Amino acid sequence: AQSVTQLDSQVPVFEEAPVELRCNYSSSVSVYLFWYVQYPNQGLQLLLKYLSGSTLVKGINGFEAEFNKSQTSFHLRKPSVHISDTAEYFCAVSERRINAGKSTFGDGTTLTVKP
Amino acid sequence: DAGVTQSPTHLIKTRGQQVTLRCSPKSGHDTVSWYQQALGQGPQFIFQYYEEEERQRGNFPDRFSGHQFPNYSSELNVNALLLGDSALYLCASIIAGGPYEQYFGPGTRLTVT
Repeated sequence: AQSVTQLDSQVPVFEEAPVELRCNYSSSVSVYLFWYVQYPNQGLQLLLKYLSGSTLVKGINGFEAEFNKSQTSFHLRKPSVHISDTAEYFCAVSERRINAGKSTFGDGTTLTVKP
Repeated sequence: DAGVTQSPTHLIKTRGQQVTLRCSPKSGHDTVSWYQQALGQGPQFIFQYYEEEERQRGNFPDRFSGHQFPNYSSELNVNALLLGDSALYLCASIIAGGPYEQYFGPGTRLTVT
């Protein structure tokens, strides 16, 4: 079984400031790692994913994340945020298997970008 | 290229009733998963369908059932609705075997009164 803990439920930040959204996970098996964004009244959009290889992963909209196996973390970062980045962000893990569609999600972090 | 589509968008039902939600996967995808997202929480996995069979199931009672059709589309059925079933129901699709990237639909908002 897997579990995901998003360490901050809400993160307020000013426009053009850097931001980090923290995610720790627990699993007894190897996993894939994901970050999703959800805008109000919409589904989830994939920001980035870690499957293997380089531990620094770049995604859409200028986001990046770093996989740290020893600390079982997958923190999301952006060097300069925009008002349009205001949304709910979810960290998720999936077991490494052929049908890897079963994901375990954290409870989300609300990012609010203020002018 | 159509993404994942779901219908209906919104639904209001009464306790004890039954509901059916529908999902069409992204073109080329053959595996469909369903998630329940309660207000203020992350999505929770209900079950996954591949080759018209339920392959994995989360911690949900058997009031929750599903089906996958030969064209890979899927239905989620919930019987004997409870107030606690009120949530956003998300459908996600993936290609079995890779590249392990789920595409989510916009969801169906179910309200049980």
